[in-house]
Amino acid sequence: GENVEQHPSTLSVQEGDSAVIKCTYSDSASNYFPWYKQELGKGPQLIIDIRSNVGEKKDQRIAVTLNKTAKHFSLHITETQPEDSAVYFCAASFTGNQFYFGTGTSLTVIP
Amino acid sequence: DADVTQTPRNRITKTGKRIMLECSQTKGHDRMYWYRQDPGLGLRLIYYSFDVKDINKGEISDGYSVSRQAQAKFSLSLESAIPNQTALYFCATPPRNLGLSGANVLTFGAGSRLTVL
Repeated sequence: GENVEQHPSTLSVQEGDSAVIKCTYSDSASNYFPWYKQELGKGPQLIIDIRSNVGEKKDQRIAVTLNKTAKHFSLHITETQPEDSAVYFCAASFTGNQFYFGTGTSLTVIP
Repeated sequence: DADVTQTPRNRITKTGKRIMLECSQTKGHDRMYWYRQDPGLGLRLIYYSFDVKDINKGEISDGYSVSRQAQAKFSLSLESAIPNQTALYFCATPPRNLGLSGANVLTFGAGSRLTVL
């Protein structure tokens, strides 16, 4: 089955700086890569996603890049704000029937 | 109202007890999932269901069972709880079909925190 690795497990940045979280996947058939944000006491919520036919996608301060050859994808958050502090999960899916999640990154934005 | 509702939100129980976690969704979606979250391990799939008559095991189904009582309800049971089943459990359902090879966006409930003593 698919194996998704996520790094780093914890990340601290100063407010206004950028944050980058990286994931790798093992199954070259995976073609859909969502990112989820989990705030304390809540379930994960989708923040951005990318399909395998696209190399980059941006939505305001967040962007995701995908390198199919290397089988890795990354989440970029620019101009970080305290409300960006949360746990972030990457995931990979082939059919959309099963999603394989990374182990999570706890992001802390220091005011 | 939340699309996905989980009950109970918190539960403390003892080893050997039977526990049921319930999930209901309001959008009439066919697919429902149960995940387990542990620190440092991310989210792991326990069971999933594509309709009332379809139940599938996920990565870590041992020690768990599920019941899809209706399209809107998907329950997770621990027949005899053990301490290493202490975790945060999430139910999820995909409300939006992206139209690409069946890819769907997962919407999660708020979670059920289970502690087994």
